[in-house]
Amino acid sequence: GQNIDQPTEMTATEGAIVQINCTYQTSGFNGLFWYQQHAGEAPTFLSYNVLDGLEEKGRFSSFLSRSKGYSYLLLKELQMKDSASYLCAVLDSNYQLIWGAGTKLIIKP
Amino acid sequence: DAGVTQSPTHLIKTRGQQVTLRCSPKSGHDTVSWYQQALGQGPQFIFQYYEEEERQRGNFPDRFSGHQFPNYSSELNVNALLLGDSALYLCASSLTDSLNTEAFFGQGTRLTVV
Repeated sequence: GQNIDQPTEMTATEGAIVQINCTYQTSGFNGLFWYQQHAGEAPTFLSYNVLDGLEEKGRFSSFLSRSKGYSYLLLKELQMKDSASYLCAVLDSNYQLIWGAGTKLIIKP
Repeated sequence: DAGVTQSPTHLIKTRGQQVTLRCSPKSGHDTVSWYQQALGQGPQFIFQYYEEEERQRGNFPDRFSGHQFPNYSSELNVNALLLGDSALYLCASSLTDSLNTEAFFGQGTRLTVV
């Protein structure tokens, strides 16, 4: 079966750095997405990786290793507004998005 | 551009009833996907519509059906509602045959079955 694993919850301090990991086992791979979802709101797009390596976008960076079935989202200079759930999703061979359950990130002052 | 719009935003139904949720995709998008998101869980894929046909389907019973109209808008119908159908229903639109198949989400419809 297809499976996406992420930690359920993480806690970090304002101003610090946090890394959210995602491992996946899917039938085929056509890219990996990270989405941010604030409570009660729709997910919003953060990043898309299809090749190995690091993609940097401001305070957020996303890394992919296809051989290891592994990705991480790195958030720097954490702000209180970064408190949200972070969803990892893989586009499989049928171009269907397979979603992880999400990682709830709690930021403390 | 209004982005993806869903209606209604909230809905309360009784067990056994039927419900219809609506979605208008982002301008220029031709593909609509529907997801069910239970509290504390990631979205679960229900089905995807393209060119007015169901192109893919997730692991949901036949009580869940849909439709796509010529203007690419879509409806999700759920029959014989169960308590377990209470969830946030998300609609996402995208452009098929695009190299970057980023999905844009609507704000969702919060369905409560009592």
